[in-house]
Amino acid sequence: AQKITQTQPGMFVQEKEAVTLDCTYDTSDPSYGLFWYKQPSSGEMIFLIYQGSYDQQNATEGRYSLNFQKARKSANLVISASQLGDSAMYFCAMREGDTSYGKLTFGQGTILTVHP
Amino acid sequence: EPEVTQTPSHQVTQMGQEVILRCVPISNHLYFYWYRQILGQKVEFLVSFYNNEISEKSEIFDDQFSVERPDGSNFTLKIRSTKLEDSAMYFCASSETYTYGYTFGSGTRLTVV
Repeated sequence: AQKITQTQPGMFVQEKEAVTLDCTYDTSDPSYGLFWYKQPSSGEMIFLIYQGSYDQQNATEGRYSLNFQKARKSANLVISASQLGDSAMYFCAMREGDTSYGKLTFGQGTILTVHP
Repeated sequence: EPEVTQTPSHQVTQMGQEVILRCVPISNHLYFYWYRQILGQKVEFLVSFYNNEISEKSEIFDDQFSVERPDGSNFTLKIRSTKLEDSAMYFCASSETYTYGYTFGSGTRLTVV
């Protein structure tokens, strides 16, 4: 079974609008961390936001917020006020266990295109 | 801001040849990783390294792969006899003990011909 599922291969959004990128995960470990990374066409992996399984509040980083619904095992990324520079591939990833290190398991990614 | 540096950015090699991909992790990080991304696909974990030994490896990381930290700064991935299907972007990453962040390098695009 897939540990991280991103069901949207591609998403389109108008500049300045908000967009939600979906991510569901599967783990039996009560302790885990959820990450979102952005991969522009240049190829590098850019860390966006992190949510710990025990965090009570949804994580926010500037225009990025993570809609964490633990019971549904979902960790959707919300980008507010989209910009042309947000066009990229977005990956959801999970680290299992209660350490702050260990392997990341990635989803298949969602290509976001921002239209002017 | 500290960076993970990978060299070369692009390498072309003939099938059957050995390649070494190099990484300089962030200096105070203790955990090092290699990931692979075949073009257009998801990022896959290869191996993690801590305290001069492999701490975890995936089923992809078979006997043709090896990792080494030859000195205090470099972290290398060696592929002994490259195959066409080894063509991919290879990312190095590092992390510290007490924070949740992983810093990725810019990647080495390996093309096996």
